Amino acid sequence: GQSLEQPSEVTAVEGAIVQINCTYQTSGFYGLSWYQQHDGGAPTFLSYNGLDGLEETGRFSSFLSRSDSYGYLLLQELQMKDSASYFCAVRKGSGAGSYQLTFGKGTKLSVIP
Amino acid sequence: GAGVSQSPSNKVTEKGKDVELRCDPISGHTALYWYRQSLGQGLEFLIYFQGNSAPDKSGLPSDRFSAERTGGSVSTLTIQRTQQEDSAVYLCASRRGMNTEAFFGQGTRLTVV
Repeated sequence: GQSLEQPSEVTAVEGAIVQINCTYQTSGFYGLSWYQQHDGGAPTFLSYNGLDGLEETGRFSSFLSRSDSYGYLLLQELQMKDSASYFCAVRKGSGAGSYQLTFGKGTKLSVIP
Repeated sequence: GAGVSQSPSNKVTEKGKDVELRCDPISGHTALYWYRQSLGQGLEFLIYFQGNSAPDKSGLPSDRFSAERTGGSVSTLTIQRTQQEDSAVYLCASRRGMNTEAFFGQGTRLTVV
């Protein structure tokens, strides 16, 4: 089976930096994705790591370490609108279930003034 | 073209009735997923379809749940003899390929009374 662990809640101050961690256990790991979901909205794609290292997209960066089965999402210059839930998701790459996309339970980020 | 379209957006049904939820994926996307999300919770995988391959039904919670995808496009999720615990938002997503992001619809909010 597969499992992903991420903190359930994080609170951070506007303008600060916050890191949301994700650890995973799976076979056939292909890559790690991150999605954002505002209350009442649909999840939207933020970032993807297929290789070890850091991917940067504007204020958001994501990191992956395959050897540690670990990744994180880094949000810089936090804005109030960043208050949302953030999900990591594992993509499988081979064998049975090769298109599986499994999500963690999400981290609710609250940005405070 | 348009994004992933789901209908209805809201459905209220009486306990014991059957319901059908529809998903129209983005044209050309070969992979289609159904997830369930209870209030404030994560995305629970239900089923996915990939091209002409047999669907992965490993996430369906009971035999009251079934899904089909006709012509490799539109998908219908059917819940028979609905129960109150089936109340949730049902999200559909599609992907073009294995190394691509998933696009989500706005979901169907199902309430069983």
